[in-house]
Amino acid sequence: KQEVTQIPAALSVPEGENLVLNCSFTDSAIYNLQWFRQDPGKGLTSLLLIQSSQREQTSGRLNASLDKSSGRSTLYIAASQPGDSATYLCAVNTGNQFYFGTGTSLTVIP
Amino acid sequence: NAGVMQNPRHLVRRRGQEARLRCSPMKGHSHVYWYRQLPEEGLKFMVYLQKENIIDESGMPKERFSAEFPKEGPSILRIQQVVRGDSAAYFCASSPLGQGAYSGNTIYFGEGSWLTVV
Repeated sequence: KQEVTQIPAALSVPEGENLVLNCSFTDSAIYNLQWFRQDPGKGLTSLLLIQSSQREQTSGRLNASLDKSSGRSTLYIAASQPGDSATYLCAVNTGNQFYFGTGTSLTVIP
Repeated sequence: NAGVMQNPRHLVRRRGQEARLRCSPMKGHSHVYWYRQLPEEGLKFMVYLQKENIIDESGMPKERFSAEFPKEGPSILRIQQVVRGDSAAYFCASSPLGQGAYSGNTIYFGEGSWLTVV
């Protein structure tokens, strides 16, 4: 059974810092991996989607990498801003469903 | 193009009552997924539906829970005889016609329905 783990569970950084969020999964047989952002009381917003054949994807200040063989993905956020404060979720697609990690709660301090 | 619409956003039910959660997928999307987020836990898959068909319900509790996606109208997640442990956020997601989970495309989530059982 697929298990997804995210480290750290919570992170607090001063504005302007670069940071890395980690995601690991136990079964490398995935179609893709997706990073989402969730604000309190809100739904999920897709940030980046990496296909299983890809190594990384970039969107603005965000860069996500995927090492399928080792079951790892990282989300890199450059020059963090207070508006980046949210919970970041990693999810792997194994076919009919996504398996989610429990997220990293990020606080960016002005 | 409206996103995935869920209603109600917040629902309070007494133990033993029924809860009905509705989801209208994005225009042109015929694949719908339901996920549940319990307090302090990650999102868990419940069911994957296409129009008039349940494709995968491996995450649905065996009793009291049912889901449908009729030819016309929204998808409905129905919880009968609710208990306090059903209190959670229920999220619906959709993906485009002909492009389900195997396609490698992203899926789009709604804002969720927060169920509180008192």
